Amino acid sequence: QVQLVQSGAEVKEPGASVKVSCEASGYTFISSHIHWVRQAPGQGLEWIGMINPRGGSITYAQTFQGRVTMTRDTSTSTVYMELSSLRSEDTAVYYCARVRSGATRDFDFWGQGTLVTVSS
Amino acid sequence: DIQMTQSPSSLSASVGDRVTIPCRASQNIGAYLNWYQQKPGKAPKLLIYAASSLQSGVPSRFSGSGSGTDFTLTIIDLQPEDFATYYCQHTYTTPVTFGGGTKVEI
Repeated sequence: QVQLVQSGAEVKEPGASVKVSCEASGYTFISSHIHWVRQAPGQGLEWIGMINPRGGSITYAQTFQGRVTMTRDTSTSTVYMELSSLRSEDTAVYYCARVRSGATRDFDFWGQGTLVTVSS
Repeated sequence: DIQMTQSPSSLSASVGDRVTIPCRASQNIGAYLNWYQQKPGKAPKLLIYAASSLQSGVPSRFSGSGSGTDFTLTIIDLQPEDFATYYCQHTYTTPVTFGGGTKVEI
């Protein structure tokens, strides 16, 4: 069965960087794009960006341009999202999500989420 | 960027009710509209994709309709486990955006 398993919770100081992993299993890794979405406490869902595991092409939300880096390792079926220059407003749960193969582009499977807390 | 508007942000309902949740896009997105359910402490769960297609394993009391700019999620015979927050999302182009969510409360 399809699974996306994310790395554990992180606590970081302002100005630091965090790198969250998302390991995929149960399907052909390179066949589906992976997106990252975050949710601040009590807030809605915010799109961060996406990566194509096949060729590594990336699209970032303008809000995060210059601070976010997405990469993938096809040998371990894992994608990574690194966010730098952290500030308190980056405290959130970060999710990876798979895009269904085909034309509909919906996010059919999600990781369990990784809580990133930014605090001094 | 395409803005997704959900209103109201919350609504009260009872078990057995029929509930409709609207979502409006700021421009024509065809049928690139998806609906997710989220419960506290959990990841969002896909309910409806491509505006009206029911995701596998989702009960048939959930349905979606609409195209272009106006969309609706309908839940008939509301069950206790349906009390949650519902988000619409467009995937017409990047950036992908979500509506602000509608919380269905008892």
